[in-house]
Amino acid sequence: KQEVTQIPAALSVPEGENLVLNCSFTDSAIYNLQWFRQDPGKGLTSLLLIQSSQREQTSGRLNASLDKSSGRSTLYIAASQPGDSATYLCAVRLGGATNKLIFGTGTLLAVQP
Amino acid sequence: EAEVAQSPRYKITEKSQAVAFWCDPISGHATLYWYRQILGQGPELLVQFQDESVVDDSQLPKDRFSAERLKGVDSTLKIQPAELGDSAMYLCASSLGTSGFYNEQFFGPGTRLTVL
Repeated sequence: KQEVTQIPAALSVPEGENLVLNCSFTDSAIYNLQWFRQDPGKGLTSLLLIQSSQREQTSGRLNASLDKSSGRSTLYIAASQPGDSATYLCAVRLGGATNKLIFGTGTLLAVQP
Repeated sequence: EAEVAQSPRYKITEKSQAVAFWCDPISGHATLYWYRQILGQGPELLVQFQDESVVDDSQLPKDRFSAERLKGVDSTLKIQPAELGDSAMYLCASSLGTSGFYNEQFFGPGTRLTVL
């Protein structure tokens, strides 16, 4: 059974700091991996999607890497801002007809001004 | 920009009552998903539709939950009777399909359910 773990569960950093969020998964047979942002009481906003054949994806100040063989992904946020404060979730997509997403429990990020 | 619509955004009900949530996916998206997210946890898939057919409902508590997508467009998720443990965020998502580059899921704003 695929399990997704995110460390740390919570993180507080001062504005301007670079930071890394970690995601690990137990079964390397994934189709792709996606990072989401969730603001309190809101839905999910997709940040980056990495296909299983890719090593990394970049969007602005965000960079996500994927090492499928070791079951790890990282989300790097450069020059953090208070507006980056949110919960960050990673999810792996299983193959097959269901296209099912298995989510981690998230990392709650607070960027202090 | 096309978005997944959900209503209501918030619902408060008493246990043993019936509740229903509605989702309208992005136009043209054949696949629709309902997820449940308990506070402090990641979302968990309840049911997945491909057009009007159920593809996966293995985690749907079928004794009290039901879902339908009669015309293969919008969908309704119902709980009857609601229990205290059903308090959660219910998220709807849609995707063009399930294979290749068409499988990215787009999420709606969710319905926050509180059962008293």
